[in-house]
Amino acid sequence: GAVVSQHPSWVICKSGTSVKIECRSLDFQATTMFWYRQFPKQSLMLMATSNEGSKATYEQGVEKDKFLINHASLTLSTLTVTSAHPEDSSFYICSARAGQPNYGYTFGSGTRLTVV
Amino acid sequence: GEDVEQSLFLSVREGDSSVINCTYTDSSSTYLYWYKQEPGAGLQLLTYIFSNMDMKQDQRLTVLLNKKDKHLSLRIADTQTGDSAIYFCAEPGTGTYKYIFGTGTRLKVLA
Repeated sequence: GAVVSQHPSWVICKSGTSVKIECRSLDFQATTMFWYRQFPKQSLMLMATSNEGSKATYEQGVEKDKFLINHASLTLSTLTVTSAHPEDSSFYICSARAGQPNYGYTFGSGTRLTVV
Repeated sequence: GEDVEQSLFLSVREGDSSVINCTYTDSSSTYLYWYKQEPGAGLQLLTYIFSNMDMKQDQRLTVLLNKKDKHLSLRIADTQTGDSAIYFCAEPGTGTYKYIFGTGTRLKVLA
């Protein structure tokens, strides 16, 4: 079945540094990928829609200069958290759709970001 | 606006049935989905139901859809400790590929 690989699974970084998270579709091509953020014991919040070969579409309230998204190929989207601060600590999950709409979306395993 | 609501917690004993409920607002959704999230992991698609169906059964899982009341439920038969997780219902946002997720129901299975 469709597999989305997300890397790293966890990362700890210092305040002010940048962190890049990768999302790869392993056995299918994904023109569109989605980036979510999940706070503890809360639901998923869509941050942005990543479009291959064009600019990402950000949800209201999400800073595009803070969360840089690059979707340079049909199998890879990256999310870079720039100048990270402790409040950026969260669980970030990507997803992509493989096949027909009823197949739903395939999710990556998530990245736990801790900013110290 | 679009909204999907779920109860936050459910606790059942091993071997009993679990029923997780969800209400949604967008009646034009073609498909409705149930996802499972284990601790520290991404979401796994459990099952989905097409909007013209009332019920769908898949092994231990039964999905019921009441379109009139915009109510979706997931029944897990013979609940096991491995079923302990957070369960999200989701519907596609109107006219987009985006998902609208419910708040998630944390299922705890007691041995």
